[in-house]
Amino acid sequence: GAVVSQHPSWVICKSGTSVKIECRSLDFQATTMFWYRQFPKQSLMLMATSNEGSKATYEQGVEKDKFLINHASLTLSTLTVTSAHPEDSSFYICSASWVGQETQYFGPGTRLLVL
Amino acid sequence: GENVEQHPSTLSVQEGDSAVIKCTYSDSASNYFPWYKQELGKGPQLIIDIRSNVGEKKDQRIAVTLNKTAKHFSLHITETQPEDSAVYFCAARMDSSYKLIFGSGTRLLVRP
Repeated sequence: GAVVSQHPSWVICKSGTSVKIECRSLDFQATTMFWYRQFPKQSLMLMATSNEGSKATYEQGVEKDKFLINHASLTLSTLTVTSAHPEDSSFYICSASWVGQETQYFGPGTRLLVL
Repeated sequence: GENVEQHPSTLSVQEGDSAVIKCTYSDSASNYFPWYKQELGKGPQLIIDIRSNVGEKKDQRIAVTLNKTAKHFSLHITETQPEDSAVYFCAARMDSSYKLIFGSGTRLLVRP
């Protein structure tokens, strides 16, 4: 149980374009979803937290206008990287949880390469 | 805020030996401590967790111990196998916050 999927698993795009990444909870209702970024050989860095039906809460230093997060349903959250630049190239991972649950369940990640 | 330190950064053991990874946390209000295993190119997978009202938890070859007084917790893997090779992350969470604060990770290599 508690399976989280992400799509796509990898994406290559040109600088200046936008990229959307989907995160889905497959067998539970995710009241809260988290978006992380991970650079090579580094730890996970929380970018933002989203609760279903509410605006996302962004961590300090994360541009909310650049990383648009939508959590419109209890099984789907999306992260859109707008006007992507090479420095946005990274591994983006989502996780999900539900009310009263301490554990976060992670998706398989999306590798983004901006040329 | 909470800060989690993890050691060592890399660990190499012979197959069959034990591996121990240690983490310390700064905020005594933290009460939930999960451990995640991340294989190359994949998302982290929960392998074991412990809550502050428990001192030790075991699941087959994996165990976690918690010392609340010293504010540290450890992951113990016995009878290591090559498939245990991965990066392991510890994390801490407080009731008042939904966030997990992660350690810097330990790259474990199990030599056949």
